[in-house]
Amino acid sequence: GAVVSQHPSRVICKSGTSVKIECRSLDFQATTMFWYRQFPKKSLMLMATSNEGSKATYEQGVEKDKFLINHASLTLSTLTVTSAHPEDSSFYICSARDTGSNQPQHFGDGTRLSIL
Amino acid sequence: GENVEQHPSTLSVQEGDSAVIKCTYSDSASNYFPWYKQELGKRPQLIIDIRSNVGEKKDQRIAVTLNKTAKHFSLHITETQPEDSAVYFCAASTASGTYKYIFGTGTRLKVLA
Repeated sequence: GAVVSQHPSRVICKSGTSVKIECRSLDFQATTMFWYRQFPKKSLMLMATSNEGSKATYEQGVEKDKFLINHASLTLSTLTVTSAHPEDSSFYICSARDTGSNQPQHFGDGTRLSIL
Repeated sequence: GENVEQHPSTLSVQEGDSAVIKCTYSDSASNYFPWYKQELGKRPQLIIDIRSNVGEKKDQRIAVTLNKTAKHFSLHITETQPEDSAVYFCAASTASGTYKYIFGTGTRLKVLA
């Protein structure tokens, strides 16, 4: 149980392109999903908390207009990297937690984004 | 805000030996502490967690201890095997609000055969 699917796994695109990444909870409902960014050999840096039916909460220093988050249903959150540039190249990974207290986060497989 | 420190950053042990990874946290309101294992290019996987009402938890070769007073928690792996080689992350969270995690900086564990 507690499977999180993230798609696509890898994206290579030109500078200026917008890229959408999907995160789905397959066998549970997730009122809260999280988006992280991970640099090579570094820890997971929380970018934003995605709340179903409301606006996402962004961490300090993360541009909300650059990283658009939509959480329209209890099983799907999307992250759109708008007008991506080479410095946006990174490993983006989502997680979801089941509703209720004391539930751990379960992670997707991540998306490796490369902007040329 | 919460800050989680993790040590060591790298750890090499001989197969069969034990490995210990330590974390400290700053927010006394934190009450949930998961540990994740991440292999290269893969998703972090939850291996064990502990809540603040418990001092120790064990699952086969893996154990976690928590000292709330000192704000320390540790991961213990006994009888290490080559497949234990990975990066391990600790995290701290509060069971309120968004339940967001603050991760430690990670420990790269290498088990030498």
